[in-house]
Amino acid sequence: QQPVQSPQAVILREGEDAVINCSSSKALYSVHWYRQKHGEAPVFLMILLKGGEQKGHEKISASFNEKKQQSSLYLTASQLSYSGTYFCGPFNDMRFGAGTRLTVKP
Amino acid sequence: DGGITQSPKYLFRKEGQNVTLSCEQNLNHDAMYWYRQDPGQGLRLIYYSQIVNDFQKGDIAEGYSVSREKKESFPLTVTSAQKNPTAFYLCASMKTGILRYGYTFGSGTRSTVV
Repeated sequence: QQPVQSPQAVILREGEDAVINCSSSKALYSVHWYRQKHGEAPVFLMILLKGGEQKGHEKISASFNEKKQQSSLYLTASQLSYSGTYFCGPFNDMRFGAGTRLTVKP
Repeated sequence: DGGITQSPKYLFRKEGQNVTLSCEQNLNHDAMYWYRQDPGQGLRLIYYSQIVNDFQKGDIAEGYSVSREKKESFPLTVTSAQKNPTAFYLCASMKTGILRYGYTFGSGTRSTVV
C-alpha cells in the first residue's frame, strides 16, 4: 500500500514555510524524499534512517518518527526553485506516496 | 559522468502496436525499476529487478514485459494490451546495500497513443 502524503497541494509566497507529511500503514525503517520539477525526473533529496534523525538539504530538512510511522519534510524560507512535486516512500518498499505539489510564487 | 539513459524521449504508438523503451545505466547499480506516472498522478511500480536474469512484477504489470539480460540494461516492452493513452515512463536504479544515495532516475519517456 502506498504511503499517504498530505497536503496534496500547497501554494506559498517566497519566504514562507511549509510542511509536507508522509505516513505509512506499514512499519517504516527508513524514508526517502524526492522532488520532481514539471516534465523532469525525480531527484533524490535525502534519506532518513530509524532513530528519529533529521537531515537537511539546502533549507529543506526532514524528520522521521518510526514509532508513529511518519516523516515530515520542512521547507524554510521557500524559494521559487522549490516549486515541484515532492514524493516520499519507505526505502525498502519501492512504492511512493501520490505526491505533494508545491508552488512558490513571487 | 555516470547516469541512466532512457530512449526515446517521446514515443507515439498506434493502438495494437508493441513498443520497447530502452533504459541503460553505467552506475554499476544492481537494482533497476520501471515506474509509470499518469498525468497529475504519483509513481506506480511496473516491474523491478534486483539482479541479472531475475525480475518481479510490480503493481501495474499487466500489458508490460521486461528482460534483464545485462546488469546495465532493463528494457520495457509496452504491449498492445496496454490501453493507457498517455503516460510518462521512468526508469530508476539503485546500488543495493548503500542507502544514502537513493534512487537515480532517468529523464523519462513520454508515451502517447495516436
